[in-house]
Amino acid sequence: EVQLVESGGGLVQPGRSLRLSCTASGFPFDDYSFHWVRQAPGKGLEWISGISWNKGKTTYADSVKGRFTISRDSAKNSLYLQMNGLRLDDTAFYYCAKEGGNDHGDFDYWGHGTLVTVSS
Amino acid sequence: SSELTQDPAVSVALGQTVRITCQGDSLRSSFANWYQQKPGQAPILVIYGQKNNRPSGISDRFSGSRSGNTASLTITGAQAEDEADYYCNSRDTIRHHYVFGPGTHVTVL
Repeated sequence: EVQLVESGGGLVQPGRSLRLSCTASGFPFDDYSFHWVRQAPGKGLEWISGISWNKGKTTYADSVKGRFTISRDSAKNSLYLQMNGLRLDDTAFYYCAKEGGNDHGDFDYWGHGTLVTVSS
Repeated sequence: SSELTQDPAVSVALGQTVRITCQGDSLRSSFANWYQQKPGQAPILVIYGQKNNRPSGISDRFSGSRSGNTASLTITGAQAEDEADYYCNSRDTIRHHYVFGPGTHVTVL
């Protein structure tokens, strides 16, 4: 069974940092690209970052570029999101998502999400 | 532009058919994928890819199509459990970014 489990969310002050983790199981981790997608309360989905299965190429939405860093660790079957310089508008549920393997740009499995609240 | 647009909300009578559309320039060169999200839950993929495939376990009430810069998700014989938010997404092949539409809330009457 494919599972993605996020952790690391919480309450953080503006300007501080937080690191999210996503542990994957039930499939060969190295064979797939992964993404972080966030959703502010009551709002829609926003793709923010992805990392490829081969060579670990990373991409970022303009809203987080230069502040957030995505990474992956094959030994731990884990995906990470290092978030620096957090702002009030970064408050959201953060989902990790596995990309489907057929180059369709789809996200075929999602974690349950972890809530990040940025507040003073 | 890689933006996608969707109608904010649609309603459908129980057992009837509803079509949700998604428009954007990226759809001319990239596939549209569709997700269903119910309150308090993570999104789930319902339609993906060039041939508008359904993942395992997704009802055949859901189907997809694409023409030019417009993709559509059709729910045929809508059921109460289909009431949810539906998001389209595609990939911006130039910038290697991914984009979601703003979502359409489907109400089953």
